[in-house]
Amino acid sequence: AQSVTQLGSHVSVSEGALVLLRCNYSSSVPPYLFWYVQYPNQGLQLLLKYTSAATLVKGINGFEAEFKKSETSFHLTKPSAHMSDAAEYFCAVKETSGTYKYIFGTGTRLKVLA
Amino acid sequence: ETGVTQTPRHLVMGMTNKKSLKCEQHLGHNAMYWYKQSAKKPLELMFVYSLEERVENNSVPSRFSPECPNSSHLFLHLHTLQPEDSALYLCASSQVGVGNNEQFFGPGTRLTVL
Repeated sequence: AQSVTQLGSHVSVSEGALVLLRCNYSSSVPPYLFWYVQYPNQGLQLLLKYTSAATLVKGINGFEAEFKKSETSFHLTKPSAHMSDAAEYFCAVKETSGTYKYIFGTGTRLKVLA
Repeated sequence: ETGVTQTPRHLVMGMTNKKSLKCEQHLGHNAMYWYKQSAKKPLELMFVYSLEERVENNSVPSRFSPECPNSSHLFLHLHTLQPEDSALYLCASSQVGVGNNEQFFGPGTRLTVL
């Protein structure tokens, strides 16, 4: 069965520093991949999704993610952290286009230090 | 209204009460989901409705009863809940079919069971 691993349940960075949040998936067949952000007491909001058109995917709020098939990874990055980036981030996968099932990682809480 | 809406946003109930959570999606999607999000635990998929048929029920206790009267509305009926049922309940929708379609989430209902 497909699974998603997010390394690091908590990540702290200084304001202006690089943000790197890690996500690895288990399937040998590249699935559909997503990153979501959740602010306190809110629902999940899509940051970006992998569409197979390009391995480097740009999302909202300056975030991007790179799909690396050889490493089965889809890490999320942002060159310069802002205080407003403090939130919880979830990586998710969907196995095929016709399925309703999404598998979520356990989430990474990002803290941005002034 | 746009996207996915949930009411109420906050709910406090006693263990003997009966209440319902409501979700409405304004996106024309054909699948709707209930998730439970508890502190320090992964996102738990509770129920999935696809084309108004329940297609997934992840061993959820019978004190939770979903209802999907049409493709736009989803309810979660609650009765005789336990304190451990206190959590953020998230509704989501998606379009199941060809393509890399993401889930859209509502803002959630914060449930406290006394």
